[in-house]
Amino acid sequence: QKEVEQNSGPLSVPEGAIASLNCTYSDRGSQSFFWYRQYSGKSPELIMSIYSNGDKEDGRFTAQLNKASQYVSLLIRDSQPSDSATYLCAVNSGAGSYQLTFGKGTKLSVIP
Amino acid sequence: GAGVSQSPSNKVTEKGKDVELRCDPISGHTALYWYRQSLGQGLEFLIYFQGNSAPDKSGLPSDRFSAERTGGSVSTLTIQRTQQEDSAVYLCASSLERNSYNEQFFGPGTRLTVL
Repeated sequence: QKEVEQNSGPLSVPEGAIASLNCTYSDRGSQSFFWYRQYSGKSPELIMSIYSNGDKEDGRFTAQLNKASQYVSLLIRDSQPSDSATYLCAVNSGAGSYQLTFGKGTKLSVIP
Repeated sequence: GAGVSQSPSNKVTEKGKDVELRCDPISGHTALYWYRQSLGQGLEFLIYFQGNSAPDKSGLPSDRFSAERTGGSVSTLTIQRTQQEDSAVYLCASSLERNSYNEQFFGPGTRLTVL
């Protein structure tokens, strides 16, 4: 059973601070990792993808991957109230399986 | 360009009725996925298509659920004899090609309520 674990939160950070969201996964053979943002009542929106160990930066977002520790994280710098949403970690194990396994999400609240 | 579209956006039905949910993927995307999201269950995979074939149906919860894709484009998810536990948001996603590195883009979803 492939599992993706996230802290459900809520995670509250003040405006302008760094928000740190974490995710662990059980399938050591997993090949690709994604972060989706989901506003209440809306569908998931892809914000970051990462495939190799290390950091990947895109604007205010940085994804970090450590395959040895089976850990992936998302940092949001200069957090804004508009970043308040649920962040879903998703993992694709590859090896002929193309489905994404999702964590249950971390709810982030950015306080003005 | 246009994203993934789904219809209807909302569907209310009575227990025991059949429903059809439609997904129109991003133009040129060959892979199409169905997921559902319900309270407390998170997002769960149902079925994936490559072209018109469905190599992975492992997530379909029962034989009341079926899906097809025609012309390598539009897909229909059919739920027969709906039950209250089928109430959820049904999400469709598409990706450019079939491999584990491809990013999946979601449509707005269909909210199904079974009374």
